[in-house]
Amino acid sequence: TQLLEQSPQFLSIQEGENLTVYCNSSSVFSSLQWYRQEPGEGPVLLVTVVTGGEVKKLKRLTFQFGDARKDSSLHITAAQPGDTGLYLCAGQFYFGTGTSLTVIP
Amino acid sequence: NAGVMQNPRHLVRRRGQEARLRCSPMKGHSHVYWYRQLPEEGLKFMVYLQKENIIDESGMPKERFSAEFPKEGPSILRIQQVVRGDSAAYFCASSQLAGRPYEQYFGPGTRLTVT
Repeated sequence: TQLLEQSPQFLSIQEGENLTVYCNSSSVFSSLQWYRQEPGEGPVLLVTVVTGGEVKKLKRLTFQFGDARKDSSLHITAAQPGDTGLYLCAGQFYFGTGTSLTVIP
Repeated sequence: NAGVMQNPRHLVRRRGQEARLRCSPMKGHSHVYWYRQLPEEGLKFMVYLQKENIIDESGMPKERFSAEFPKEGPSILRIQQVVRGDSAAYFCASSQLAGRPYEQYFGPGTRLTVT
């Protein structure tokens, strides 16, 4: 089993603040995916990172894949209440422990 | 609706009964994955299937659980003689044959409650 650990586990911030979520593993992955899951729904794919050092931007979300392809981060700028949800990183079939984000209006 | 479909959305079974969960992948997708999610926990991989083939079942409990993806029709996750510990949300995901197989598209899940 390839373990993916995410931090922090829970995050509660005010609207407009910035935040970073981390996904770390001791294993190398050919690619990592980030998903967002809302209560009662399935995860929704946000992005795939493939190349070590790669940075991808999706509006206010910035995703980075570590040079060694063992870790990744998600940075959200000027968080909004609509960003609230469970953020999951995944490599192959293995999902991270998740970060539950709450953005307070 | 071209997304992944799962039914039923909610399923209640008494201990000892059988549960059958169905998943229709996105159009054009031939890979199906099943996951289990317990409250306050992440998604746990169970099984990966292609049409008529089980590719990886390393996450599947050895007893009472089985999965299939026939040539025609949806993928089925079958749980025999359910116990209370089987209560969870079960998610199905699908991906394309070529390209990036690990980009998975999820269904809304089936919430199984064992009473």
